[in-house]
Amino acid sequence: GESVGLHLPTLSVQEGDNSIINCAYSNSASDYFIWYKQESGKGPQFIIDIRSNMDKRQGQRVTVLLNKTVKHLSLQIAATQPGDSAVYFCAENGAAGNKLTFGGGTRVLVKP
Amino acid sequence: DSGVTQTPKHLITATGQRVTLRCSPRSGDLSVYWYQQSLDQGLQFLIQYYNGEERAKGNILERFSAQQFPDLHSELNLSSLELGDSALYFCASSPDRSVYNEQFFGPGTRLTVL
Repeated sequence: GESVGLHLPTLSVQEGDNSIINCAYSNSASDYFIWYKQESGKGPQFIIDIRSNMDKRQGQRVTVLLNKTVKHLSLQIAATQPGDSAVYFCAENGAAGNKLTFGGGTRVLVKP
Repeated sequence: DSGVTQTPKHLITATGQRVTLRCSPRSGDLSVYWYQQSLDQGLQFLIQYYNGEERAKGNILERFSAQQFPDLHSELNLSSLELGDSALYFCASSPDRSVYNEQFFGPGTRLTVL
């Protein structure tokens, strides 16, 4: 498959453990944040989003936390599975509000 | 499968040439977005079209242009290609013009400029 960002930070996690992926965003005017997952050879896939009027949102096995004070976003994956191995990107909508700016990505490797 | 299709899957060409990448959005989606993903720049927003009209512009070079046709498919034209244009190009679609929507990404076109 395609190789994305050969020098990405990498998180190795044991199957069944919880994963936490962090993202520092740049623009204090951003009011919409999204996490995407990109598997090798595929396009990014939406995981979960959060608006700035919330500090936590939960989905199926995933939780996004938003700390606007320090401009920090995190994605928690519960009971990590081999299928969770991928590159994860955070994105924000920026000052103009209508364009997504993506972070550099974090590679998650799940060890059996 | 996101429902967004892109052709071709791979494209190899030479410097100075021009290529056209094609995207068909999900059925019913009116917005199309183009992104470039390179190893050193990450995933970068290029341009958005909504119902045939340009809606938002990102880091798109003047050598690049796009359009959205009445049937809502979109084309990204890259001209005077340089080695640095080698990248994955993704198209995404969403139901309306708002950024507060999930964007569905296609499988991408891998462009290699030799």
